[in-house]
Amino acid sequence: AAGVIQSPRHLIKEKRETATLKCYPIPRHDTVYWYQQGPGQDPQFLISFYEKMQSDKGSIPDRFSAQQFSDYHSELNMSSLELGDSALYFCASRKGGGGYEQYFGPGTRLTVT
Amino acid sequence: GDSVTQMEGPVTLSEEAFLTINCTYTATGYPSLFWYVQYPGEGLQLLLKATKADDKGSNKGFEATYRKETTSFHLEKGSVQVSDSAVYFCALSEGHGTSYDKVIFGPGTSLSVIP
Repeated sequence: AAGVIQSPRHLIKEKRETATLKCYPIPRHDTVYWYQQGPGQDPQFLISFYEKMQSDKGSIPDRFSAQQFSDYHSELNMSSLELGDSALYFCASRKGGGGYEQYFGPGTRLTVT
Repeated sequence: GDSVTQMEGPVTLSEEAFLTINCTYTATGYPSLFWYVQYPGEGLQLLLKATKADDKGSNKGFEATYRKETTSFHLEKGSVQVSDSAVYFCALSEGHGTSYDKVIFGPGTSLSVIP
């Protein structure tokens, strides 16, 4: 079965650089979520989109932005990177209509040096 | 707001021992409950879920029962294996019949199983 695809899987950036993470949801899933998992931490919700509109917002820094495109894939843009942004970034997708679980991608490991 | 609490780790068990990881939650509504597992260096895998009171989720020998009266969802396995070594996250999602509800995770419990 198709799964959530995230790219790249690993990314190394320097401080103050920008990064773009991509997420391709499972086909026919219209809702995408982004989570950030710091070292030794639990995943924290950043932002979500439903039918290309932002549906909820969590602890996402102002330096980050995201959007969902017409084909339902999503991109997380991160600017002015800081050392503390080093983390595993998960994307999850869900089929709309309620009562459906989220399916997580393998994550993108971002290292900021 | 909603939250999930689970027992502190790390937990170290011998192979074939009985496992219990306690999890309790606080929610304003009637959430769905999940256990996710994260193996070293890997992503999150859904281990099991329960969507209503008294539901029992089970998978790979693990099971957990949704207890509304005690707001708990404890994870159990009768005989652990070395391959079960991982971090286990208890989680909830409110649902509310909508299509855009985030998952709230507990802090995770690291399990190490030794031969």
